[in-house]
Amino acid sequence: GESVGLHLPTLSVQEGDNSIINCAYSNSASDYFIWYKQESGKGPQFIIDIRSNMDKRQGQRVTVLLNKTVKHLSLQIAATQPGDSAVYFCAESAGGYQKVTFGTGTKLQVIP
Amino acid sequence: GAVVSQHPSWVICKSGTSVKIECRSLDFQATTMFWYRQFPKQSLMLMATSNEGSKATYEQGVEKDKFLINHASLTLSTLTVTSAHPEDSSFYICSARSSHLNTDTQYFGPGTRLTVL
Repeated sequence: GESVGLHLPTLSVQEGDNSIINCAYSNSASDYFIWYKQESGKGPQFIIDIRSNMDKRQGQRVTVLLNKTVKHLSLQIAATQPGDSAVYFCAESAGGYQKVTFGTGTKLQVIP
Repeated sequence: GAVVSQHPSWVICKSGTSVKIECRSLDFQATTMFWYRQFPKQSLMLMATSNEGSKATYEQGVEKDKFLINHASLTLSTLTVTSAHPEDSSFYICSARSSHLNTDTQYFGPGTRLTVL
């Protein structure tokens, strides 16, 4: 059920600056990782993914870094824009047709 | 490509009634669909995994008799919340995984906001 008083971690960034959103995952068997963006009242939108045989992957304005040693994932957004304001979730999967488990989420606020 | 739709986008119902939510993959065939529930300011929690033509696999703590899932075709899965109660009020989101596109990527629907009075 709903947890009263639960707050998402929030990252406030000036427009034009770079954003870095971090995520720690727990399952050592996870070998596929995804970042999703969720705007208010909408479903998650796929941003970028990475497999465990890589430590970095770049997309358009976004870069995902994976550190398997410390089970850490990060999403870097270059030149952050107001349209980037949303909640960002990392997700992990043990690969193949396994289910995806979502992290707790980080709210990104872009200050114009 | 890879568009997933949900219907309805929002629904208000009385306690004790049943509500059906549809999830469709519009431009691809989805052998596997997933149903999630999301409470305000929380993450998505997987409820069940639905494979076309077979019974759904429910996560621990999710009542299969209360949340009925049917995946009768490669483009449609339905979630029926039976005998809904106010605590079932939530944002229900489905996702679909293609058998032909990137097999690991899940494409999400826009969600259905359920309010039980």
